[in-house]
Amino acid sequence: ILNVEQSPQSLHVQEGDSTNFTCSFPSSNFYALHWYRWETAKSPEALFVMTLNGDEKKKGRISATLNTKEGYSYLYIKGSQPEDSATYLCAFGKTSYDKVIFGPGTSLSVIP
Amino acid sequence: NAGVTQTPKFRVLKTGQSMTLLCAQDMNHEYMYWYRQDPGMGLRLIHYSVGEGTTAKGEVPDGYNVSRLKKQNFLLGLESAAPSQTSVYFCASSQERILLIRTQYFGPGTRLLVL
Repeated sequence: ILNVEQSPQSLHVQEGDSTNFTCSFPSSNFYALHWYRWETAKSPEALFVMTLNGDEKKKGRISATLNTKEGYSYLYIKGSQPEDSATYLCAFGKTSYDKVIFGPGTSLSVIP
Repeated sequence: NAGVTQTPKFRVLKTGQSMTLLCAQDMNHEYMYWYRQDPGMGLRLIHYSVGEGTTAKGEVPDGYNVSRLKKQNFLLGLESAAPSQTSVYFCASSQERILLIRTQYFGPGTRLLVL
């Protein structure tokens, strides 16, 4: 069984605050780590995919880092806005395993 | 392009009834997946397909069957619905064989309530 964990489970921040959350995954036989953004009543949408230790990706105010040796990835949101309110999912791909495993998600609420 | 579409959007079933959920994609993707989403559980893989005519079990396959007779369609069947199958079902497709790198594209979901 491959366990992918995300913390915290939920988060409430004020508009303008910066925030970050964590995805933890097994460090052995790592292949790829995905981040998805999932707004209420919509489908999950891809943010990033990272494959190399030390990878950093950025899209606007959102960025992500990857540490494959210790098995974690951070997602950062700078200057949170109400439209950032969503559940953020990470998904882990393991070598020779042809499907990814999703974490339970972190639910972010940005209060205006 | 419509992307990934799912039919129906919402359905109520009585215990023991059967139904089929349809997923269609117009992106010519090889890989297709069915997930269920339950509170606090994230997305769990039910079944998946690596190409037309092939299917395989995911994490939680019991109580479900699937078929992929055409490349663009992936059907999920419930032969005898149970209240434990109340969930939101998402279909996804992916562009090429190396799924672990390629992004999955999700449908809008089907909300199923089993009474």
